[in-house]
Amino acid sequence: GAVVSQHPSRVICKSGTSVKIECRSLDFQATTMFWYRQFPKKSLMLMATSNEGSKATYEQGVEKDKFLINHASLTLSTLTVTSAHPEDSSFYICSARGGQGARGANVLTFGAGSRLTVL
Amino acid sequence: AQSVTQPDIHITVSEGASLELRCNYSYGATPYLFWYVQSPGQGLQLLLKYFSGDTLVQGIKGFEAEFKRSQSSFNLRKPSVHWSDAAEYFCAVGTGGGNKLTFGTGTQLKVEL
Repeated sequence: GAVVSQHPSRVICKSGTSVKIECRSLDFQATTMFWYRQFPKKSLMLMATSNEGSKATYEQGVEKDKFLINHASLTLSTLTVTSAHPEDSSFYICSARGGQGARGANVLTFGAGSRLTVL
Repeated sequence: AQSVTQPDIHITVSEGASLELRCNYSYGATPYLFWYVQSPGQGLQLLLKYFSGDTLVQGIKGFEAEFKRSQSSFNLRKPSVHWSDAAEYFCAVGTGGGNKLTFGTGTQLKVEL
């Protein structure tokens, strides 16, 4: 089946630094990718939708200058947390869907998540 | 705007017992409904989904869910729970053709041996 890989699975960084998380569709072309944030013991909150080759669409309340999303190819989207602070510590999960008629088209596949800890 | 309510935060069942996890949704149109399972520190695995047609949906790992429009519910069931089913379960409603998901707050399932 369709596989989505996230890297790194865990990252620890110092306050004020930037961290990049990658989301790759390994065996299909993902025209659309979604980024979620999950707080401890809480649900997943959709942060943004990224479409290959265009700017990401952010959900209300999500700082686009804080969470930079790039979807430069059909298999890779990146989330960069800029000038990270301890309150940005969270579990970030991406999901991807293939284009119409493509493998992975009818399935939203989730990555295994990336745990960010900001000291 | 759409929303999902999972009224049970924690549920404990004995292995071999039946299970029902509740999910209620609010959405103005015909919903796309999903159940996902998440093991600790892991991503989400799709158990089953409802788009249209038969309101009783069969999923993986022996799970099923029934869509009841009149009750705005999509409860997840399993006739006999296994210890490996212990995990967090999320119900979600999808918009935008089922792409954009709104999740419930999850139900933590504990299985007693």
